[in-house]
Amino acid sequence: GENVEQHPSTLSVQEGDSAVIKCTYSDSASNYFPWYKQELGKRPQLIIDIRSNVGEKKDQRIAVTLNKTAKHFSLHITETQPEDSAVYFCAADQTGANNLFFGTGTRLTVIP
Amino acid sequence: DVKVTQSSRYLVKRTGEKVFLECVQDMDHENMFWYRQDPGLGLRLIYFSYDVKMKEKGDIPEGYSVSREKKERFSLILESASTNQTSMYLCASRTSAGGQPQHFGDGTRLSIL
Repeated sequence: GENVEQHPSTLSVQEGDSAVIKCTYSDSASNYFPWYKQELGKRPQLIIDIRSNVGEKKDQRIAVTLNKTAKHFSLHITETQPEDSAVYFCAADQTGANNLFFGTGTRLTVIP
Repeated sequence: DVKVTQSSRYLVKRTGEKVFLECVQDMDHENMFWYRQDPGLGLRLIYFSYDVKMKEKGDIPEGYSVSREKKERFSLILESASTNQTSMYLCASRTSAGGQPQHFGDGTRLSIL
């Protein structure tokens, strides 16, 4: 099956700085890459996703980039705020699989 | 909006008990999943189901079973609960159409004493 690796496992940034989380995947046939945010005590929620026919997607302060050749994708958060503090999970959708394959998560802390 | 509802937010049971965790989704999704979440270990897939009465083992199925008698409902069963099954359990659902996200429930924090 697909193997998704996520780095770093923890990340601390000053409020207003940018944060970048990186993921790699193993199956070149994977074609859908969502990102989830999980706040403390809450469910993982989809914040942005990207499909393999697109290289970059933005939604206000968050963006995702995809490099299919290198098989990696990244989450970029600009102008970080304390409410961005959470655990972020990347995932990949392997063609023909019923489930998403998740990275191990990144705990982001935004220091006021 | 997709709604995935787990029957309990918190549950305390005793070692050896048979425990049922229930999950219901309202979007007619074909696929349903049970994950276990422990600190530092991410989301680990226990079992999933792609249709009524169908099930597949995930990464950590030992000590668990599942039941899907109706499309909207997916149950996780701990046949004989043990203390190492104390954890957060998350249910999710997903359409079988490609390129779509999974939708999670709020989770059940289960403690086995």
